[in-house]
Amino acid sequence: EIVLTQSPGTLSLSPGERATLSCRASQSVSSSYLAWYQQRPGQAPRLLIYVASSRATGIPDRFSGSGSGTDFTLTISRLEPEDFAVYYCQQYGSSPRTFGQGTKVEMK
Amino acid sequence: EVQLVESGGGLVQPGGSLRLSCPASGFSFSNYWMSWVRQAPGKGLEWVANIKPDGSEKYYVDSVIGRFTISRDNAKNSLYLQMNSLRAEDTAMYYCARDLSYFDYWGQGALVSVSS
Repeated sequence: EIVLTQSPGTLSLSPGERATLSCRASQSVSSSYLAWYQQRPGQAPRLLIYVASSRATGIPDRFSGSGSGTDFTLTISRLEPEDFAVYYCQQYGSSPRTFGQGTKVEMK
Repeated sequence: EVQLVESGGGLVQPGGSLRLSCPASGFSFSNYWMSWVRQAPGKGLEWVANIKPDGSEKYYVDSVIGRFTISRDNAKNSLYLQMNSLRAEDTAMYYCARDLSYFDYWGQGALVSVSS
């Protein structure tokens, strides 16, 4: 089973700042099959990014994903108030599919 | 608009059973894999089970094998999760999700609490 480790656990930033979230895999993720999700309090997760760098439908271009192999990054170029949430990465290159433990982006 | 609406959650004693339902709309349900994903209170996400479009293949996380059964009724555009022999560690919000290997649409969740 591939273990995904996200860092940092919490990121304290102000609106307008840049957020950089890391997701590191215990083994190489096949074909960069890595997704990112946003979860606001009391809501279901929402797909942001799939295959490491493709934005899902309706996702603003301030969200971008990058990486390959074992190291992946989600970048939010300029934080909007609605972006303060928890972010999860998920690999789907091997079974079982697994999620990271999440990074909370909180307002400073 | 894609909609997934879970129901059937509640409080159940250890060893008890619950059946979750998830009617779907806004897409061709019978053409898609579907999954259940759960989230324990204050914790991260865990994939639980998925099912092929025609229902012929089903897969489960190890911890629920022999206790949970995923099923679907394509005529009713609905996904189900029968949960038996429930344990305290099954307490979670259960989401149904459209499964493209990643999960592109999610329901709002059904809360399952297992406690005596």
